[in-house]
Amino acid sequence: DGGITQSPKYLFRKEGQNVTLSCEQNLNHDAMYWYRQDPGQGLRLIYYSQIVNDFQKGDIAEGYSVSREKKESFPLTVTSAQKNPTAFYLCASSMSLSSGNTIYFGEGSWLTVV
Amino acid sequence: KQEVTQIPAALSVPEGENLVLNCSFTDSAIYNLQWFRQDPGKGLTSLLLIQSSQREQTSGRLNASLDKSSGRSTLYIAASQPGDSATYLCAVTHGANNLFFGTGTRLTVIP
Repeated sequence: DGGITQSPKYLFRKEGQNVTLSCEQNLNHDAMYWYRQDPGQGLRLIYYSQIVNDFQKGDIAEGYSVSREKKESFPLTVTSAQKNPTAFYLCASSMSLSSGNTIYFGEGSWLTVV
Repeated sequence: KQEVTQIPAALSVPEGENLVLNCSFTDSAIYNLQWFRQDPGKGLTSLLLIQSSQREQTSGRLNASLDKSSGRSTLYIAASQPGDSATYLCAVTHGANNLFFGTGTRLTVIP
């Protein structure tokens, strides 16, 4: 089935530890995105990539890093520099949004600091 | 910067009632507007997409309207059912390839 797969669903991070969230899509979409969702705050853009080997910072990129080595993969690393990482993380992909294409989301990953 | 607001934040209605969810945005220079549904602990599912040149879109019991000049959109749900209970988010495409989301309306349909 076509879609976006995020893993793991639940992840626990210790203080000072880096963790990586996986996102894979088989929709042949050019653009991929990472959003963070906190209660009552909607979705905020962390990073996005419109093409392989290129990505741009979103509104809250500090403490996060990404790579886009393959079209279908866009992993997100939450570094120890991110002081409040506990949140729900959503990966998404699309063709050009300005051309009226729909964005598709994965099922999300819960990250908790312990 | 584009800001998207949704009112109300939460809404409870009895089954069978028609209801309207509201979305407003500050910058009318948008490409399109989308309505999404999110179930607890899940990702978002796109319900309707309205291009900036369109006034409304319909899918089954859902109808979304767009008034770009006034920065407003509404999502109308007819004959609500308990299965409609979820959070509904609107988002506008503003700029090259970016979505701006509202904070959502949490809908509960009471059987």
